[in-house]
Amino acid sequence: DAGVIQSPRHEVTEMGQEVTLRCKPISGHNSLFWYRQTMMRGLELLIYFNNNVPIDDSGMPEDRFSAKMPNASFSTLKIQPSEPRDSAVYFCASTKGLTQETQYFGPGTRLLVL
Amino acid sequence: GDSVTQMEGPVTLSEEAFLTINCTYTATGYPSLFWYVQYPGEGLQLLLKATKADDKGSNKGFEATYRKETTSFHLEKGSVQVSDSAVYFCALREGNKLVFGAGTILRVKS
Repeated sequence: DAGVIQSPRHEVTEMGQEVTLRCKPISGHNSLFWYRQTMMRGLELLIYFNNNVPIDDSGMPEDRFSAKMPNASFSTLKIQPSEPRDSAVYFCASTKGLTQETQYFGPGTRLLVL
Repeated sequence: GDSVTQMEGPVTLSEEAFLTINCTYTATGYPSLFWYVQYPGEGLQLLLKATKADDKGSNKGFEATYRKETTSFHLEKGSVQVSDSAVYFCALREGNKLVFGAGTILRVKS
């Protein structure tokens, strides 16, 4: 079975540009999580969805960040405008239900904002 | 909120050495505890978990025991291999979310 799929795997952009990261969760999973990983701050939860509805976005750093889940098989994380401090690895993870404890992570998108 | 503290790395060991990576947690209740592993260039994978006090999680030769009295969940392996080189994350479940430690880099030399 396919795992969590993220695209692109690498993104290099210039400050001020819009960046869109994409995630396809595992089929049948109805909870999806976006994380950011940096050396300074470690792994941070940005937002999570259950049944396509955002449940907790308290980790989203600021208004420049937005996330959507238009259907059960697709989610996006958008940064507009991007800044150098947004450079990080962004992971998507999915799980079945909110009480399911095993989250399955995608390979991540490595973002570099110049 | 709840938090997880891991020993700082990197931890560098020779092949077949004994491994311990310390993890302690702060939580209001008795959360489920996890170890995740991240191999270079990949996402995190669940390594093992324990859901209540005195439970022992184990997988691939790794073990960790949920110690309520010391609020700890230390990861151990009797004999590490070069292929175990990775970043190890201790985590707890707070509500519907996972709270991760900072991660510990393990390097195993042949």
